[in-house]
Parts: sequence; structure tokens; C-alpha cells
Amino acid sequence: AQKVTQAQTEISVVEKEDVTLDCVYETRDTTYYLFWYKQPPSGELVFLIRRNSFDEQNEISGRYSWNFQKSTSSFNFTITASQVVDSAVYFCALSDFGAGNMLTFGGGTRLMVKP
Amino acid sequence: EPEVTQTPSHQVTQMGQEVILRCVPISNHLYFYWYRQILGQKVEFLVSFYNNEISEKSEIFDDQFSVERPDGSNFTLKIRSTKLEDSAMYFCASSVGDRGTDTQYFGPGTRLTVL
Repeated sequence: AQKVTQAQTEISVVEKEDVTLDCVYETRDTTYYLFWYKQPPSGELVFLIRRNSFDEQNEISGRYSWNFQKSTSSFNFTITASQVVDSAVYFCALSDFGAGNMLTFGGGTRLMVKP
Repeated sequence: EPEVTQTPSHQVTQMGQEVILRCVPISNHLYFYWYRQILGQKVEFLVSFYNNEISEKSEIFDDQFSVERPDGSNFTLKIRSTKLEDSAMYFCASSVGDRGTDTQYFGPGTRLTVL
């Protein structure tokens, strides 16, 4: 069975601070995919990134960066110089071959960025 | 940029009534999904659909739920006899391929309120 844990339910930062959202996953498969989605107050789910289990290179996209560590089964997400518009709930998700294409989501982390 | 659309954005119904939630997936996508998010909770997989058949379904997707692709563009979720606990945001998603190799793109959701 696959499982995703986001231990931080809520984080509050002041604008321009850096913030890291943690994600820990469990899966029996050696091939799997990890995702981050953003859910702004308007409610939609916005895709941010997908990584496969064979690629442990960290990725940077503007102010966003992701740290994938297979040894600790973690896929953490860092926002540098946070902005008020980053305020949202962020979900980490996992898809492995044993579960078809079903996405298993973590419980989400609510990020509040204050001006 | 192509996107998944869903109608209606908000549906209010009486307990015991049937509801149909509609989705138009991205046009070249072949795999379709429904997920549910009870208010304040995580996103949960309901069902995946490919080639006019259900590929996977979760325990939540019991006999009161059904899915259909009635024509070349729409993908629907029917709840036959709604219960109070069906109140949630329902997200439709689509992807080009399966097995986690392709990203699932989500629609804006339909908020279902059962009174």
C-alpha cells in the first residue's frame, strides 16, 4: 500500500522568508512518480512538478525548488523569498505501478504568507 | 492552454436525489479520473476510466456511483441516491497516458452540497 505523509498541517511565514514543505512517502514499488500540486483559495488543483523514482536530481524553477531523497523517502518543496500569492494548500502525491495511475495524496500543508 | 472544465461549479441537492457531475477532459487525453475532497481534508481517488471502461476504483466508489463517457468529449460522474456524507468537492482529471508516466491535470472542481 502506498502512503504520503505531510506532517506540517499549517505553516505561517512572513513575506520574503524561505519555507520548506516536507513530504514523506511509502511504497513497495521501485518505480513510482511523485507530484506536488497547489490548491489556492479559489479551490482548483494546480500541477507544479512530477519526478520519477529514477531521477534524484534536485530541480529548481524560479523561486521553487524540490529535493528528492530516495534514501529517506522524502520529496521536499522549498519556496524561496515567499510572496503573499504563495498562500495556498500544497499537496504532495504519489503514483506507483502497483496502483495503476491512482494518485495518493498527502494531507496537505496550508501555507500562509503574511505581508 | 488546454484545460479540464467541469460543470456545474456548485450543485445543491436534497438527500436521496440523483446528481450528475460533468467534465470535459483535455481533448487528446485518453485517461480520465474522478477524485473527491471533503472540506478541509485530503484529496481521495474515486475512479479511473480508459477506453470506455473503469480501470481502477477505490473503496469509496460503491454501487451508488457510476461513470460514463456519453460522447466524445464529456465524462460524467453520477451519484444515484445522494447522502449527506457525499458533500464534497469533486475533481475531474485527465492524462495522456497511465501508470504515472503522465501528469494528471485537474479541473476546477464541482462543490456538491447535500442537504
